[in-house]
Amino acid sequence: DTGVSQDPRHKITKRGQNVTFRCDPISEHNRLYWYRQTLGQGPEFLTYFQNEAQLEKSRLLSDRFSAERPKGSFSTLEIQRTEQGDSAMYLCASRAGTRNTGELFFGEGSRLTVL
Amino acid sequence: GENVEQHPSTLSVQEGDSAVIKCTYSDSASNYFPWYKQELGKRPQLIIDIRSNVGEKKDQRIAVTLNKTAKHFSLHITETQPEDSAVYFCAASKETSYDKVIFGPGTSLSVIP
Repeated sequence: DTGVSQDPRHKITKRGQNVTFRCDPISEHNRLYWYRQTLGQGPEFLTYFQNEAQLEKSRLLSDRFSAERPKGSFSTLEIQRTEQGDSAMYLCASRAGTRNTGELFFGEGSRLTVL
Repeated sequence: GENVEQHPSTLSVQEGDSAVIKCTYSDSASNYFPWYKQELGKRPQLIIDIRSNVGEKKDQRIAVTLNKTAKHFSLHITETQPEDSAVYFCAASKETSYDKVIFGPGTSLSVIP
């Protein structure tokens, strides 16, 4: 399977714990995006990368959230000191960086439940 | 920043009827407008997109129209089928620069057989 893969698919944690999600994009895609989706809502933009450079981080995003893409390939999203409000599906998507190739290819998502 | 609104939030149609979903965007610099379909428990997938240099695009039963002056765009599905039942998201982006894709809140479409 050469699509976007995310790990883990499900994570249950206790409030206050740290969690980390991994995303492996389609190999030739140099843009990588993280979104958060709650039930009945559209994907909410969190952050995105062009290769290893983090180009933008949502102003709504707490300092407890951090993302990296150290070698321009896979990416990690870490949430520190989790809160119940962090419970959501975390979606990763990748996109080719050339003009007129706008399609985002999403992974299956990582569902986080904070107890 | 960009803000995308979408209406209606839910839509129910009889099989064979047409469905129309409307979106508005706030940033006049946005120039790329994709539509994604998300079936229950699955990932969003692109179904059609339109760029600001055209006013309409069609792909079989699906069409999208764009009004740049009014900053709104619409998705039209004709001859709806039960397998069209899903949540549809519109989105906006600036392709002329490296930019994020902002999604609307979604429309849950139910096609009644």
